[in-house]
Amino acid sequence: DAKTTQPPSMDCAEGRAANLPCNHSTISGNEYVYWYRQIHSQGPQYIIHGLKNNETNEMASLIITEDRKSSTLILPHATLRDTAVYYCIGIQGGSEKLVFGKGTKLTVNP
Amino acid sequence: EAGVVQSPRYKIIEKKQPVAFWCNPISGHNTLYWYRQNLGQGPELLIRYENEEAVDDSQLPKDRFSAERLKGVDSTLKIQPAELGDSAVYLCASSLGGRPSTDTQYFGPGTRLTVL
Repeated sequence: DAKTTQPPSMDCAEGRAANLPCNHSTISGNEYVYWYRQIHSQGPQYIIHGLKNNETNEMASLIITEDRKSSTLILPHATLRDTAVYYCIGIQGGSEKLVFGKGTKLTVNP
Repeated sequence: EAGVVQSPRYKIIEKKQPVAFWCNPISGHNTLYWYRQNLGQGPELLIRYENEEAVDDSQLPKDRFSAERLKGVDSTLKIQPAELGDSAVYLCASSLGGRPSTDTQYFGPGTRLTVL
C-alpha cells in the first residue's frame, strides 16, 4: 500500500504561508499525489494533484521531491477559512483505491 | 453547476432499524463512490461504481450493507439492520471516470448517521 505520513496538527498565522508536509515513500512511479481538505461538517474538497513536476493552481502549490518520496502543499497566504483537515492521499497499489490517512489539522490564527 | 447532492444530511435511528442514504452525482460523472468516515479518521471507501457496475465493493460489509445505482446515475446505500458501530458520516463522491488514481473526485456534504 502507498501509505502517507502527515503531522497531526499545524498552526499558521493569517496572511502567512502554510507549508504542509507529507511522506509517501511507497508511491509508485505512475501514481499521482493528491491533496484534499475537509472543512468542519463538509465533504472533502479537491485541492491539487501532481505526478513529478511542481504544480500550482488558484488554491495552492504542490512541491514534489525529485525522488517522489515526499511532497509539500503550500497555501501562499493562509486565511481563517483555510482552517481544515488536509489529506495527502496515497494509492493502494493494484486496486486504484484512494487511501485517506488521518490528515493534518491546520489551524489558521488571526 | 450543482455539486454532489446527498440526503438526508442527518439521520438518527435505533439499532436494528434499517436506514437508506441517497446520492445524486454531478451530471455526466460516470464513476460514483460511497465512503464511510468515522470520527477523527479519514474517509474509507465502501464501494465504487462505474456506471451501473460495482467494480470495487471489497470493503462493503455485505451482511448488512447494500448499494445500488440504477440507470448509472443516482445511488442508494442501505444498512439493514443498523448497529451501534455504524454511526459515522457517509460520503458520496463522483468523478468523470477512469482510473481513480488520476481522476479527481468531488464529494457531497455527507449524511451523519447516529445509531442509538
